[in-house]
Amino acid sequence: DTAVSQTPKYLVTQMGNDKSIKCEQNLGHDTMYWYKQDSKKFLKIMFSYNNKELIINETVPNRFSPKSPDKAHLNLHINSLELGDSAVYFCASSQDLGPRQTQYFGPGTRLLVL
Amino acid sequence: DQQVKQNSPSLSVQEGRISILNCDYTNSMFDYFLWYKKYPAEGPTFLISISSIKDKNEDGRFTVFLNKSAKHLSLHIVPSQPGDSAVYFCAAPEAGNMLTFGGGTRLMVKP
Repeated sequence: DTAVSQTPKYLVTQMGNDKSIKCEQNLGHDTMYWYKQDSKKFLKIMFSYNNKELIINETVPNRFSPKSPDKAHLNLHINSLELGDSAVYFCASSQDLGPRQTQYFGPGTRLLVL
Repeated sequence: DQQVKQNSPSLSVQEGRISILNCDYTNSMFDYFLWYKKYPAEGPTFLISISSIKDKNEDGRFTVFLNKSAKHLSLHIVPSQPGDSAVYFCAAPEAGNMLTFGGGTRLMVKP
């Protein structure tokens, strides 16, 4: 019973394309996140989303947009993909926005932009 | 400009010995810290945390120490086991519970 799942696991695409990564959590959590792990293995927060409240890391380009159809899902849309977008993207969730809430991570989506 | 740093990219330890992983931070507003463990091709999993009102937190073989004056924390694993071989990240939450991670330390425990 996977708590946080992501699809697809692997995504290979051409520069300039638009793509989406899906995330679902079955933990009943209110808050979801997207993180990016770059080629140097640094994990960086991209977004935090809670009940329509979106907090964006200021370094994230506006080509990236999270979309939440319901509380259990937070999808990541990426427009006009660039080579530098190649990375592993992790979705996570927590009970709420409280700073001491444990975050549970999905297995990651490996994106390769050619 | 990293606010959380792990200066040792890797550490190799013999099974049964102690593993000590270090983490430094620059933001004095951080008041809570976490350690996550990550196996290849998996997402990070929560290991242990510590509040800034404490200087030590223990959970089984894992102990985290916090030295606020030095802005330094460390994770001790005793005794180390081969299954502990993974990448360990320290992290601190900012606004919106968004975690700022260190660069990670790859721990290898040799049988």
